[in-house]
Formats: sequence, C-alpha cells, structure tokens
Amino acid sequence: NAGVTQTPKFQVLKTGQSMTLQCAQDMNHNSMYWYRQDPGMGLRLIYYSASEGTTDKGEVPNGYNVSRLNKREFSLRLESAAPSQTSVYFCASSEVWASGGDNEQFFGPGTRLTVL
Amino acid sequence: DAKTTQPPSMDCAEGRAANLPCNHSTISGNEYVYWYRQIHSQGPQYIIHGLKNNETNEMASLIITEDRKSSTLILPHATLRDTAVYYCIVNLIPDYKLSFGAGTTVTVRA
Repeated sequence: NAGVTQTPKFQVLKTGQSMTLQCAQDMNHNSMYWYRQDPGMGLRLIYYSASEGTTDKGEVPNGYNVSRLNKREFSLRLESAAPSQTSVYFCASSEVWASGGDNEQFFGPGTRLTVL
Repeated sequence: DAKTTQPPSMDCAEGRAANLPCNHSTISGNEYVYWYRQIHSQGPQYIIHGLKNNETNEMASLIITEDRKSSTLILPHATLRDTAVYYCIVNLIPDYKLSFGAGTTVTVRA
C-alpha cells in the first residue's frame, strides 16, 4: 500500500497563477484533510471532507477550494496564488468512528509551494 | 477544543527514557489526548492516544493524570531517529479536526 500520495512534491508559482494539488489514499478511508504548515509553525487545517460528497472549511480556508473527486481523491485548488500561500501542504486521511476510538490520521509527504 | 501547553524544546540522551509533558487543563470529559510527531518536515506520524487510562503501544506509553488535566508521553529508549517535533493534541471524537500547536522539539543526543 502506498498510503497517502501527493503530487507535485515541489511547485513554484507566480502571483496570480492557479494550480491544483492532488492527493490520493489507498486505505479506503472515509475522511480526508488538507493542512498547511508555515515555517516554524504547527499544521493548520484548510479544508476537510468527512465523507465522499461532503467538504467543510477548516481554520484557514480563504483563498482555497477543494474537490472530493471520489473516495480516494481529494484535491486542493489555488485560484489566484498569493505570496502568503507559500507553505508546505499536507494531505491526510482517516477512518473516524462515530462511536469513539481512533481518529488516527495518515499523512502524505507534503507539497512544497513557493509563490513569488 | 481544549488547548494544550507543551515546553518548546527538550534534550534527551540516547538510550534513556524521554518524558514529554503536556498540559490540557481545560479538557472536557469526552476529549481524547493524541500524540503525533513530525520528523524533519515529513508528514506527521501518529504515536498514541488515550481517554482516561494509561496506554502503551510499540512506540510509546501515554500516562494521563487522574484529573485528566495533564499527560506525559514516554519514549522508553530514545534513539537518534526519535529526534522530531512532538505534538500533543486534544480531540473530540468523532470530531474530524486536529489542532496542531507548536509542539515540543525533542533532540536525542548520542
């Protein structure tokens, strides 16, 4: 199993350009997440998808859109990139049980994005 | 979600136990304590979680105080590969959102 994969690994954009970050998981998880991590800081949740067909805003959603394409794939789109969006982006997935128990999230290797 | 407080950094000698404290004095009765770590800008890695009882797995032990206001993650025999940022997170099940703070940077020295 590959776990959680992300593409691309690195990307440089100019201000105003758009791009889509791709994420896929092969663990049959219902829930998927996008986080960003700025230098020296912890991760902040951008958007999440509790299950296929649903998406919700996290802590820092402005400037981003997401699509849960199917159960495996969850993409993050920057419509008009800004230098403030320079960051490392992590995708994660988990199987959350309503009756309690694990919310162990499995993370991808990250996409390092620089906006000039 | 309850906030957590962790020391910004700590050192540990290789082969010794590393005890990482976390304060979560505002934790509510149905919030779990989770620990993750992040090694050198990789994606975070789950370590362990617990509600009330102490927990142990192949990576670590989690000790939660009786009043649940604090906890300690114990790495029993630290190795150089355990050098990482360790995050203590409280999470409401089945809430989907993990809130990562700044964590504790642990440096294991030979």
